[in-house]
Amino acid sequence: AQSVTQLGSHVSVSEGALVLLRCNYSSSVPPYLFWYVQYPNQGLQLLLKYTSAATLVKGINGFEAEFKKSETSFHLTKPSAHMSDAAEYFCAVSVSGYSTLTFGKGTMLLVSP
Amino acid sequence: NAGVTQTPKFRVLKTGQSMTLLCAQDMNHEYMYWYRQDPGMGLRLIHYSVGEGTTAKGEVPDGYNVSRLKKQNFLLGLESAAPSQTSVYFCASTQSGGPTGTQYFGPGTRLLVL
Repeated sequence: AQSVTQLGSHVSVSEGALVLLRCNYSSSVPPYLFWYVQYPNQGLQLLLKYTSAATLVKGINGFEAEFKKSETSFHLTKPSAHMSDAAEYFCAVSVSGYSTLTFGKGTMLLVSP
Repeated sequence: NAGVTQTPKFRVLKTGQSMTLLCAQDMNHEYMYWYRQDPGMGLRLIHYSVGEGTTAKGEVPDGYNVSRLKKQNFLLGLESAAPSQTSVYFCASTQSGGPTGTQYFGPGTRLLVL
């Protein structure tokens, strides 16, 4: 079975600072990994996904993530936080043929001026 | 193109009552999913469907039933609601089979069971 662990339920940064949200996965087969973002009172939307084509994946809104097999990690980064980045971020893993996702518990990103 | 829509947006039920949540998508997607979101728990898969007329159990299926009579609709039913089913329910859909498909989410239904 696969699982995802997100370190830190809340992360606080100042506007303009580096954003780093951590995600580690466990999977017995090659995983496909996703980051989704949820703004207040909305559904989730895809930020980026790793599908084995390249280990460094660029997504929307300036976010990127690097797949590191040796560390079983897929951390999300953004060089400079913006107030509009305040949201909850979910890492997810998929291994099945039916695109079913197993989500981490989420990390709330707080951005202060 | 509305994407994925969910009805209703908010509902209050008494313990033992029944209700049906409707998910509709206009993207002609084959695969549809129902998740529940609880604080500190992330999203957990309840049931999913890989095509019209098919359904399958996810991680937390107990107390829920689903039906996919039309390709564009996926219904989630609670036959006898319990306070433990208080949650936010999200529907999602994707076109692709295989593990790399992007899921598109609806705006959610907030359910309170008293």
